[in-house]
Amino acid sequence: GNSVTQMEGPVTLSEEAFLTINCTYTATGYPSLFWYVQYPGEGLQLLLKATKADDKGSNKGFEATYRKETTSFHLEKGSVQVSDSAVYFCALSSPYNQGGKLIFGQGTELSVKP
Amino acid sequence: DGGITQSPKYLFRKEGQNVTLSCEQNLNHDAMYWYRQDPGQGLRLIYYSQIVNDFQKGDIAEGYSVSREKKESFPLTVTSAQKNPTAFYLCASSARGHDYGYTFGSGTRLTVV
Repeated sequence: GNSVTQMEGPVTLSEEAFLTINCTYTATGYPSLFWYVQYPGEGLQLLLKATKADDKGSNKGFEATYRKETTSFHLEKGSVQVSDSAVYFCALSSPYNQGGKLIFGQGTELSVKP
Repeated sequence: DGGITQSPKYLFRKEGQNVTLSCEQNLNHDAMYWYRQDPGQGLRLIYYSQIVNDFQKGDIAEGYSVSREKKESFPLTVTSAQKNPTAFYLCASSARGHDYGYTFGSGTRLTVV
C-alpha cells in the first residue's frame, strides 16, 4: 500500500542554518504530495504542495520538489528562524487511497535555537 | 472567511462519561475526518465521512462514534468504552479530488480527570 517515510527528529539547528527534512514515499500511480506544519498546541497548516513530477512547491521560504525518479519530496529552507520551530508532516494523496485519505508521515520536530 | 471550527479548545472528562467534540466547516467540503494525536506522535485516523449520512471507521475507531447529518458538521463522541481518551483531537475536511489536501481545525485537547 501507499506509505510515507520521514527522517526522524528532533532536528535541532541554529538560526540561519540550512534545513533539509527528508521525505520518501511509496505509491501506486501519480500521487499529489504535501508538507504540513504544526505549531505547538495548534492544528496542521498546509505549507506547500506539488501535484505532478518535477513540480516545485514553495511558501514562506520553504521549498520541495516532487522527484518521481527517487520517490522523494524533501523539504528545504535556506535560512531558518526561531519562529520555524514546529513539527513538519509530509503527506501524499492518491486516487488509489481508500476514501480519498491523506497518508501522513510520522512527523519531524524542528527546534531552532537563537 | 471559510474555515473549519473545532470546539471546545479544552475539554475535561470524568471517568465513565461520554463527551462530544464539535467540528463545523463552511468550506462546502464533501469529506471530513477525525484524527487523534498523542504527545510526540503522528496522526491516527479515527473516522471519516465522504458524504452526508455515511461514514467509515479508521484505524482506531473503537470507543468512538460519529454522525454526519449535515454536510457542515461531523461531531465526534468519545465514549466511556475508550479507555485512554486523553489526547489532542483534530478534525479536517477536504474537497473532492486528490490534489487539494486537507484543511484542519485548531484541535480539541481532551483530558480525563
